[in-house]
Amino acid sequence: NAGVTQTPKFRVLKTGQSMTLLCAQDMNHEYMYWYRQDPGMGLRLIHYSVGEGTTAKGEVPDGYNVSRLKKQNFLLGLESAAPSQTSVYFCASSYLRTEAFFGQGTRLTVV
Amino acid sequence: SQQGEEDPQALSIQEGENATMNCSYKTSINNLQWYRQNSGRGLVHLILIRSNEREKHSGRLRVTLDTSKKSSSLLITASRAADTASYFCATDDLNLFFGTGTRLTVIP
Repeated sequence: NAGVTQTPKFRVLKTGQSMTLLCAQDMNHEYMYWYRQDPGMGLRLIHYSVGEGTTAKGEVPDGYNVSRLKKQNFLLGLESAAPSQTSVYFCASSYLRTEAFFGQGTRLTVV
Repeated sequence: SQQGEEDPQALSIQEGENATMNCSYKTSINNLQWYRQNSGRGLVHLILIRSNEREKHSGRLRVTLDTSKKSSSLLITASRAADTASYFCATDDLNLFFGTGTRLTVIP
């Protein structure tokens, strides 16, 4: 039972490049979330999904897109990366809005 | 924002002492949760308290909830060096919002 797995763990992008972060969960959870965490700060919600085929904006959605084509996967895309998107990205999943399980994080640097 | 806000931002105590951190939130909730984050790692769920509960225990953790004041507290008793971490509260709405966290340092 892997829980929540994020791919990749580390990535360096040049400004303007695009990339996709993958989050996979094997707990059959309906709810999935993408957060970013900047140094000394809490988690800010980027986008979330309450089920397969659904997505919604969180607190800081600008510059990101998401897709939930399969229940177990939640993809976060950066179409044109900017230095301000340098951060640690966490994915989480939960059954309804109770205990959330987190991935190990993706450290993204945009130069 | 329905974001929870933790207080204090940082707390430093000696091993064996108790640590108390607080969380305030803005809207009605169904449940409130506490999480721990060790440096650079993902968050780990500690405890969930429902809106109709006033107090809950789990091992050395004690959580209280006062819905009239929209606040919660997390007490860690007999702290250990391994408790050094950041602690976050999260409130539910349509999604999970987290506060900025309390950075706890337990000095051996």
